[in-house]
Amino acid sequence: SQELEQSPQSLIVQEGKNLTINCTSSKTLYGLYWYKQKYGEGLIFLMMLQKGGEEKSHEKITAKLDEKKQQSSLHITASQPSHAGIYLCGADYSGAGSYQLTFGKGTKLSVIP
Amino acid sequence: NAGVTQTPKFQVLKTGQSMTLQCAQDMNHNSMYWYRQDPGMGLRLIYYSASEGTTDKGEVPNGYNVSRLNKREFSLRLESAAPSQTSVYFCASTWTGRVGELFFGEGSRLTVL
Repeated sequence: SQELEQSPQSLIVQEGKNLTINCTSSKTLYGLYWYKQKYGEGLIFLMMLQKGGEEKSHEKITAKLDEKKQQSSLHITASQPSHAGIYLCGADYSGAGSYQLTFGKGTKLSVIP
Repeated sequence: NAGVTQTPKFQVLKTGQSMTLQCAQDMNHNSMYWYRQDPGMGLRLIYYSASEGTTDKGEVPNGYNVSRLNKREFSLRLESAAPSQTSVYFCASTWTGRVGELFFGEGSRLTVL
């Protein structure tokens, strides 16, 4: 089974609405990373979470990591068409000296004007 | 600001042909990666190079070879292309110890007929 599950697989929201994307790990992780991919382009790093209970915000996007370090959520407030794309979470399961991330399959977000 | 540059952006091959995907970064990163992205499978690591002079297998290395030519360049070679290697390939790079903060190229779309 997949170590890192994202939900939902896809999401269509009206502009101005809030939304949440979830990333759930089957085991405790050392770090959780959120990326955004615009259609046909490469991934862009958004935020890094490493401590249980940590929360970070950038503009209208807030990411949280639960205390057990197995679940993260990405919340977008007052969505805009510019938020559309594919959001992926990546997990570091090894900690110091690690060179590999495990990625979720992504959540495709569409924002309707 | 070039960042991570991949060539070619598009390529069509026949089964059995060989080709090399080129990747170069200008951010003085030590670590470089090759991923493939397939519908329903997400992003999977093919090979990585933790530092100049080293390469290691990722999750799906079969059918591929890599060369870390120097600190800037990391190439991916398909010796005998197969239809199962039809995919979008991404090169990424980062600093040592910053496994989750990857900088991605725009991708190379490869079709094997």
